[in-house]
Order: sequence, then C-alpha cells, then structure tokens
Amino acid sequence: EAQVTQNPRYLITVTGKKLTVTCSQNMNHEYMSWYRQDPGLGLRQIYYSMNVEVTDKGDVPEGYKVSRKEKRNFPLILESPSPNQTSLYFCASSGHTGAEGPQHFGDGTRLSIL
Amino acid sequence: SQQGEEDPQALSIQEGENATMNCSYKTSINNLQWYRQNSGRGLVHLILIRSNEREKHSGRLRVTLDTSKKSSSLLITASRAADTASYFCATGSGGSNYKLTFGKGTLLTVNP
Repeated sequence: EAQVTQNPRYLITVTGKKLTVTCSQNMNHEYMSWYRQDPGLGLRQIYYSMNVEVTDKGDVPEGYKVSRKEKRNFPLILESPSPNQTSLYFCASSGHTGAEGPQHFGDGTRLSIL
Repeated sequence: SQQGEEDPQALSIQEGENATMNCSYKTSINNLQWYRQNSGRGLVHLILIRSNEREKHSGRLRVTLDTSKKSSSLLITASRAADTASYFCATGSGGSNYKLTFGKGTLLTVNP
C-alpha cells in the first residue's frame, strides 16, 4: 500500500531535549516536505526536498533541521525544542511533478513541548 | 505568506444538500489543488485543476477556476455525513516548482 509513515504519532517532551520525527515513503517520490499546522494559521511549510541531498527552507524553518540521505526518508530534527514548536506536524511526498502535483500526506505527529 | 484563502471559514448543512466552498488567491498560478482533512488526520488530495482549465469533475465533486478573478470553488453535491471535514485549497505558482501554499481551510459539517 502506498503510504507516508510518520513516527512517533504523539510525543510529549521538555524544552531543550533534542528530538527527531521520522518520515518514510514507499512510492519512490522525489519531492518531500514538512508542514506544521496550528489553529488559525493553517498549514505552513517548514522545509522541503526536491531529491536526495537537496533540501531548502520553507516559510517557517527556524528551529528545525532536515536531512535527505536516502530517497525514502526525510527526518525532521528539533535540536533544542521550545514550547512555540508545540504543533501538529505533517510530512508529505509527491512524484516528479514536485510541489505542483498531488501531495501524499502522513497521518501527522502531535508534538507537545513543555 | 498565505496564497489561498478559503471562504467561508465554517459551513453547516443538512445531509443531501450541496456545499460550496470558495478559494481566492493573489498571484498567478500553474494549478490549484483541493484537499480534505478529517479531524486530526493527514490531508487527502481531492482534485487538481490547471490554470488553463475552467471546470473539473470527480464523482460528487465539481471544481471551477476563474483565473481572471483569481478564485476557485469546490462544490460537493448530495452531501453525506462522511463529508464532514476541513477542506483546503493549495496553489503552486509559476516559476516555483518547489513550494505549495495552503489556505486556512473551510470546516464543513454535514448534519444527518
């Protein structure tokens, strides 16, 4: 089954404790991206990747890092999480049409930073 | 910056009625997409309409695009309780094949 898998689905942690949210897709998609969703603000893009070893900032990249060492994986790293990063996070992927094609979303990761 | 903006923010209808949601955007686009999100879940792609298309159908969904007014509408006919969800438009604009900008969504509630 074609899917985007995020882990963990839920995480409560404390300020400053490094964490990684993993994202994996099994569709051989080139384009992958991370979004955060906050009430009243909709979805905002954090980072995106056009292909292996190619990443770039989205609209709200501060406080986040990503890497794309393999085509299927695109982890989101919070080196020193802060309470303002409490949010619902989504990973998405798309084929060769990149951002302009249909995006396949994971089920989300709800992060709470205390 | 927000490119697409949905209207209304919330819509409540009875089962069997039609639901219409609108999306306005600011700059020229290559295409416009609509997505559905059930509460707390990931977004699901519904339909994509290109800038040279005016109308597109998929099952009970009908999407129109008016590039002169920079607006799109999503019509769901004969709505069902299972259509209850948030609906988002997203735009990919010319020259940038790398970023997709989402609106804030319309929350549709279909009452049985």
